[in-house]
Amino acid sequence: QVQLKESGPGLVQPSRTLSLTCTVSGFSLTSYGVNWVRQPPGKGLEWIAAIWSAGITDYNSTLKSRLSISRDTSRSQVLLKMSSLQTEDTAMYFCARSVSGYDHFDHWGQGVTVTVSS
Amino acid sequence: EIVLTQSPTTMTTSPGEKVTITCRASTSVNNMHWYQQKAGASPKPWIYETSKLASGVPDRFSGSGSGTSYSLTINNMEAEDAATYYCQQWNFPWTFGGGTKLELK
Repeated sequence: QVQLKESGPGLVQPSRTLSLTCTVSGFSLTSYGVNWVRQPPGKGLEWIAAIWSAGITDYNSTLKSRLSISRDTSRSQVLLKMSSLQTEDTAMYFCARSVSGYDHFDHWGQGVTVTVSS
Repeated sequence: EIVLTQSPTTMTTSPGEKVTITCRASTSVNNMHWYQQKAGASPKPWIYETSKLASGVPDRFSGSGSGTSYSLTINNMEAEDAATYYCQQWNFPWTFGGGTKLELK
């Protein structure tokens, strides 16, 4: 079955770089896109970035200068890097699958909590 | 980017009631997706492409709309439907509404 699982450091100091990994199973990264979506505590959802089946990437323009998304198809992993972290980046980070930008996010991971604090 | 405004923000309802959640877009969009999220869990796809129910979603749910106004309706509210619902539009960059928290009396 389709599964996505996020992993990451949990606690990151301000101004440092966050690295998150989404490990997928049950589908191929060369057939589906993977997105990152975050949710600050008690708040709504914000789309961050996507990497599509052809390897093309898209970014939220407000975060673009701090983001990098890539993938390792041999390991079925999607990697997200976010630099210059601030306390406002504290959130639950989810990865979610979609076929294309017009399609909904049809499978989600359980999420990983990221806290930015010194 | 397209801003989605959901109303109401919070709604308290009773089992058996009809519930309608509205999502208004700042500019016309061709379709809307909806997600259900319960506390401590990840969002679940609920309604996609405006009116199609995701797998496992009870048929008391329905979706409709066009242009700048979309809605999610629950006929005959049940206890398990208490959750937060988010709309999401499919134009780049993808944005979500602020959410509607549906509570039971």
